Amino acid sequence: SQKIEQNSEALNIQEGKTATLTCNYTNYSPAYLQWYRQDPGRGPVFLLLIRENEKEKRKERLKVTFDTTLKQSLFHITASQPADSATYLCALHNTGNQFYFGTGTSLTVIP
Amino acid sequence: DAGVTQSPTHLIKTRGQQVTLRCSPKSGHDTVSWYQQALGQGPQFIFQYYEEEERQRGNFPDRFSGHQFPNYSSELNVNALLLGDSALYLCASSLIRNRKDKSEAFFGQGTRLTVV
Repeated sequence: SQKIEQNSEALNIQEGKTATLTCNYTNYSPAYLQWYRQDPGRGPVFLLLIRENEKEKRKERLKVTFDTTLKQSLFHITASQPADSATYLCALHNTGNQFYFGTGTSLTVIP
Repeated sequence: DAGVTQSPTHLIKTRGQQVTLRCSPKSGHDTVSWYQQALGQGPQFIFQYYEEEERQRGNFPDRFSGHQFPNYSSELNVNALLLGDSALYLCASSLIRNRKDKSEAFFGQGTRLTVV
């Protein structure tokens, strides 16, 4: 069956450290993979997109890697800040422009 | 430039009733997708509309139906509401036409539906 699994536990890290979130998938062949941030009661906000032929993408303090052999994406936030506290969702994107989301990882950055 | 707007923001309905949710896509976007997000879960794809037709559908019963208008706005209709339909309903807009190399989607704030 198709699965998208993110960190099963909530992630708590100290301010200034690097947060690393994982997204593993089975039985998908995504053309793209995207990461979103979602705050309570609000819609997801797009952060980064990475294509299947790209290994790494960066945007300011954010970095995403994509390993189609391992069927895994890693999402890093460097120099984390309390304002980074949110739920982060990975979404696989098939050729039909349809997204399949993981359940999300709740990140708390402790001052 | 307004982003994706959804209405209403909150709604309470009784089991068995019908509900209509509305979405206006981001300016310049031609595609609207609807998602259901239960508490503590990721969004689940319901369906997608492009050129006023349903193009893709997720694993949702026929009680869930939709429509897209010529101005690209969209409605989600749910009939015979069940308690389990209580969720945050999200609308996402994107641009398909001539943009096959990019598929960023913009989400609205959602409609919180509570079925009692």
